[in-house]
Amino acid sequence: EAQVTQNPRYLITVTGKKLTVTCSQNMNHEYMSWYRQDPGLGLRQIYYSMNVEVTDKGDVPEGYKVSRKEKRNFPLILESPSPNQTSLYFCASKGLTSNTEAFFGQGTRLTVV
Amino acid sequence: RKEVEQDPGPFNVPEGATVAFNCTYSNSASQSFFWYRQDCRKEPKLLMSVYSSGNEDGRFTAQLNRASQYISLLIRDSKLSDSATYLCVVNPQGYQKVTFGIGTKLQVIP
Repeated sequence: EAQVTQNPRYLITVTGKKLTVTCSQNMNHEYMSWYRQDPGLGLRQIYYSMNVEVTDKGDVPEGYKVSRKEKRNFPLILESPSPNQTSLYFCASKGLTSNTEAFFGQGTRLTVV
Repeated sequence: RKEVEQDPGPFNVPEGATVAFNCTYSNSASQSFFWYRQDCRKEPKLLMSVYSSGNEDGRFTAQLNRASQYISLLIRDSKLSDSATYLCVVNPQGYQKVTFGIGTKLQVIP
């Protein structure tokens, strides 16, 4: 089954404690992306990647890091989380052709206290 | 100006009504357009692509107006199960990032 898998689904952490949210896809997609979704602000892109070792900033990259060492994985790293990073996070993947569908993971609800 | 703009709503409509949403985009080079549906706190899922000539899928009709740079989604005979947030998605030319609208919330009431 084609899918994007995020882990964990729910996470409560404390300010400053480094964390990683994993994202893995089994569709051999080149494009992967991270979004955060906040009430009234919609989906905002954090980082995206066109292929292995190719990453670029989205609209709200501050406080986040990503890596793309393998095609299937695109982890999101918060080196020093802060309460303003409390949000619902989605990972997505798609093929590079512009008319292809994006598939989303089930989301990670992060709370930073 | 935002790259993709949508009226966030909410649109409260009675069952059986017809409702339409618009989404405007700023990049005239945009090539591909989609409507996604998102249920509360769940991941967005593709509802339908939007083709230049317009396309229909059951009660749903999507249209593209390149001259005025907007796409639309029409839902006929609204069902309670149509209650969700509808996101428009614009893919620019080439391989650049995918841009989502803020989403329009639809609430179908009995």
